[in-house]
Amino acid sequence: DAKTTQPNSMESNEEEPVHLPCNHSTISGTDYIHWYRQLPSQGPEYVIHGLTSNVNNRMASLAIAEDRKSSTLILHRATLRDAAVYYCIRAGGTSYGKLTFGQGTILTVHP
Amino acid sequence: DVKVTQSSRYLVKRTGEKVFLECVQDMDHENMFWYRQDPGLGLRLIYFSYDVKMKEKGDIPEGYSVSREKKERFSLILESASTNQTSMYLCASSFPVRDRVERQYFGPGTRLTVT
Repeated sequence: DAKTTQPNSMESNEEEPVHLPCNHSTISGTDYIHWYRQLPSQGPEYVIHGLTSNVNNRMASLAIAEDRKSSTLILHRATLRDAAVYYCIRAGGTSYGKLTFGQGTILTVHP
Repeated sequence: DVKVTQSSRYLVKRTGEKVFLECVQDMDHENMFWYRQDPGLGLRLIYFSYDVKMKEKGDIPEGYSVSREKKERFSLILESASTNQTSMYLCASSFPVRDRVERQYFGPGTRLTVT
């Protein structure tokens, strides 16, 4: 069972950067780190994923530690629409594409 | 844009009824998944399918079955609904990629209440 550890909740102010941490100390060499978020009353939404190096897309950046035991999802300028539960998931390549969701981090964004 | 649709957003059924939850995706994905989401328990995988007519049990398959007769459609069946199956049900799909887990696309969910 793929395990990650995230804080239960975090708060941010609008237009400020947000750094969401995730620990995955038992990660294997072929596991990718995926991030999803779930807005209220919606299904989860893919945010970003990476293996070793830092990744950027239009939604966020993913910074992966050199030893790959932790990673950080960075929202560069939080908006009220970013308030959601954020899930960090480690996913191996032999699992038929399965993902194991943990409890995630509830992000509150204050105006 | 990939679209995953689920047949109902809200459903109310009686104990003992047979319930069908339908999921359709329009991107020719081989992989499809059914999850349920409950407060405090997060998303848990019920069943998944990696091809037509192929299915595999997830973490909590008891009380459920699935059907995948066409590539785009994956159905979750509650043979005899019980109150402990009251939950949010989420469907997802993805492409299979060797040695890697590709992103999943989720539907909006079906909130099922069994009374």
